[in-house]
Amino acid sequence: GAVVSQHPSRVICKSGTSVKIECRSLDFQATTMFWYRQFPKQSLMLMATSNEGSKATYEQGVEKDKFLINHASLTLSTLTVTSAHPEDSSFYICSAMEGGYGYTFGSGTRLTVV
Amino acid sequence: EDKVVQSPLSLVVHEGDTVTLNCSYEVTNFRSLLWYKQEKKAPTFLFMLTSSGIEKKSGRLSSILDKKELFSILNITATQTGDSAVYLCAGGTSYGKLTFGQGTILTVHP
Repeated sequence: GAVVSQHPSRVICKSGTSVKIECRSLDFQATTMFWYRQFPKQSLMLMATSNEGSKATYEQGVEKDKFLINHASLTLSTLTVTSAHPEDSSFYICSAMEGGYGYTFGSGTRLTVV
Repeated sequence: EDKVVQSPLSLVVHEGDTVTLNCSYEVTNFRSLLWYKQEKKAPTFLFMLTSSGIEKKSGRLSSILDKKELFSILNITATQTGDSAVYLCAGGTSYGKLTFGQGTILTVHP
């Protein structure tokens, strides 16, 4: 089946630094990838839609200058959390749509900002 | 704005009980309704439903979609402690966006 590889699985960074999270589709091409965030005891919330070769579409309330998304190829999307702060600590997870119907999730990245 | 609502938000049962989890949705360009199980990390896929009235089964789990009422249920029979998890329902659009419900926290006691 379709596999989406997400790295790193866990990262701890200092406040004010930037963190890059990668999401790679291993055996299929993903023209669109989705980035979600999940705070403790909450559900997954869509942050942005990443489109290959064009600008990402951000959901309301998500700062596009803080959460930089790059989808430079059909198999790779990256999310960079810039100038991270403790309130950005969360579980970040990507997903890609494979074919017409299948949704595949990455394994998620737990970000802790200290 | 797309919206998915799950109920109950939490449920505590004993092993052997049968549970029914509910999910209602309002999703523009709706294509499919998905159920996931989430324990510590990323959600694990359970079912994807696209057609109304056709039950999908996997072992003790089953699910059905009613596209007229914009509703889906997930049934778990003969529950086990290993079923304890958060169950997420999501409405999927034709271009792949998923809107998640709040989740139902299921706790199964021995």
